[in-house]
Amino acid sequence: AQSVTQPDIHITVSEGASLELRCNYSYGATPYLFWYVQSPGQGLQLLLKYFSGDTLVQGIKGFEAEFKRSQSSFNLRKPSVHWSDAAEYFCAVGATGNTGKLIFGQGTTLQVKP
Amino acid sequence: GAVVSQHPSRVICKSGTSVKIECRSLDFQATTMFWYRQFPKKSLMLMATSNEGSKATYEQGVEKDKFLINHASLTLSTLTVTSAHPEDSSFYICSARETGRGEQFFGPGTRLTVL
Repeated sequence: AQSVTQPDIHITVSEGASLELRCNYSYGATPYLFWYVQSPGQGLQLLLKYFSGDTLVQGIKGFEAEFKRSQSSFNLRKPSVHWSDAAEYFCAVGATGNTGKLIFGQGTTLQVKP
Repeated sequence: GAVVSQHPSRVICKSGTSVKIECRSLDFQATTMFWYRQFPKKSLMLMATSNEGSKATYEQGVEKDKFLINHASLTLSTLTVTSAHPEDSSFYICSARETGRGEQFFGPGTRLTVL
């Protein structure tokens, strides 16, 4: 069965430091992979997605993610974190058949220290 | 960008009553909408897929008679929690998939509290 694991429930980084949020997936074929950010009172916003092609994907707000098939991973990175990046981050995989269904990981809460 | 709204944003009701939550795509048409449930500090759990003009498809373990979904137009889907109980208290989020494009946009969510 398809699944997504985000090993880190909570991460704290200092403002200006680099960030990496981990995501591992279980999927039989080439997956559709997504990273979303959820801020309090707001809906999920798509940061970036991977469908095919270049395994290094650039997203909004300075985020990027790298698809590594050999490791079944799709980790999210940002070279320098801003205080406004504090939020909940979700990795998701698109379910089989391009139905639009998404399977989400448990989420990682990012706290940014001044 | 595409905007999805949900109404109400917050609702408190008594046990045994029914609550309707609306999900609207404001500037695009959505043949398909999805309803998720999010528990505190937990992931989003897909409840059902709502297709315009047809019956919703429910995920395993989701009671279709409890959570009634109607998708009467290309811009509106509704979720009705019938005979709500305290265990139905949760954060309900919808998303709308833009027709012909496949990209999905999420609403801001509705906080349901059942007393």
